[in-house]
Amino acid sequence: QQQVKQSPQSLIVQKGGISIINCAYENTAFDYFPWYQQFPGKGPALLIAIRPDVSEKKEGRFTISFNKSAKQFSLHIMDSQPGDSATYFCAPANTDKLIFGTGTRLQVFP
Amino acid sequence: DAGVTQSPTHLIKTRGQHVTLRCSPISGHKSVSWYQQVLGQGPQFIFQYYEKEERGRGNFPDRFSARQFPNYSSELNVNALLLGDSALYLCASSRRGAYGYTFGSGTRLTVV
Repeated sequence: QQQVKQSPQSLIVQKGGISIINCAYENTAFDYFPWYQQFPGKGPALLIAIRPDVSEKKEGRFTISFNKSAKQFSLHIMDSQPGDSATYFCAPANTDKLIFGTGTRLQVFP
Repeated sequence: DAGVTQSPTHLIKTRGQHVTLRCSPISGHKSVSWYQQVLGQGPQFIFQYYEKEERGRGNFPDRFSARQFPNYSSELNVNALLLGDSALYLCASSRRGAYGYTFGSGTRLTVV
């Protein structure tokens, strides 16, 4: 069974701080590593994604770091804002499906 | 551009009944997938369709079925509903495969 383990389960960060969420996977067939952001009552929205031939990707305040040998990737949110308060999912994928992690609830306090 | 649209947004059904959920993908997207999200958990893959053919199926019982129409819209059908089927059902679309999926806001199904 494909397993995706995400940590921490919840995270509380002060406004302006750095939020870091980690994801570990087992299936070496994954070739696409996205992070999704989900607000209550909404579907997940693609935040940022990386391919396995790249070790880091940055888009604005969001950075993915990818460690292929360790089968881990992480999301870094710089200068965290109250509007970033949401649930974040890693969801490594191959062609036909995303395998979602258990989710991290991020709360950013002013 | 319109995003992925799902209908209905909310639904209450009784155990044993049947339900049909509908999804319209983003224009130009030929791949549609369905996911089930139980409260407090990550979405679980149910089906993927591409060019009207089933390309992947998750670990769900045969009570779950789906199809994709020539205009790439899709239906998810669930027969003999159980209380445990209560969840948010999400539809996602992309040009191909699971890369860059855009999700709809989902259908909240409650089975009583």
